[in-house]
Amino acid sequence: EVQLVESGGGLVQPGGSLRLSCAASGFTFSNFWMHWVRQAPGKGLEWVSSINGDGISTSYADSVRGRFTISRDNAKNTLYLQMNSLRAEDTALYYCVRSTWPWGQGTLVTVSS
Amino acid sequence: DIIMTQTPLSLSVTPGQPASISCKSSQSLLHSDGRTYLFWYLQKPGQSPQLLIYEVSNRFSGVPDRFSGSGSGTDFTLKISRVEPEDVGVYYCMQSLQLRTFGQGTKVEIK
Repeated sequence: EVQLVESGGGLVQPGGSLRLSCAASGFTFSNFWMHWVRQAPGKGLEWVSSINGDGISTSYADSVRGRFTISRDNAKNTLYLQMNSLRAEDTALYYCVRSTWPWGQGTLVTVSS
Repeated sequence: DIIMTQTPLSLSVTPGQPASISCKSSQSLLHSDGRTYLFWYLQKPGQSPQLLIYEVSNRFSGVPDRFSGSGSGTDFTLKISRVEPEDVGVYYCMQSLQLRTFGQGTKVEIK
């Protein structure tokens, strides 16, 4: 069964950092593009970042470029999102997505003082 | 950036009746490989989005045949032939031609 499990969310002060992880199982992880998508409370879906199978090609939404870094460890079947200089507007449920499906259950990031 | 615009933003439907959601992109989603990168998702209350339709009109595994997708270029439609109570939630279109962009979402409720 294909499964994605996010972790690492929590409460952080503005300006702080967090690293999200997404543990993948049930498929050949290195064969797939992986993505982070977020959803602010009560709002719609916002694409955040993408990375190709070998980790060489990455892309970011304008709203996070320069503050967030996506990476992956194919030996550990894990996707990461390093989030620095966090702002209140980064508060959201962060989903890990394999290509177009499936989506993980999400990990909640709350940026507040 | 490609902008995705969904209409309507909300829909109240009597069970057994049809429903239709429109999604328009700011530029064509047709790739040079001949495929059109338009997807439909349903996010049921309290759940992660689930894939309904890929590449405009292909139903994903396990998706009931009352769901259908159509369109080309910049104009796309998701149709539910007979809405059932379990179809409530928010429907999103998404393009993956250039990075990814989602529509605003269409909330479907049952009358």
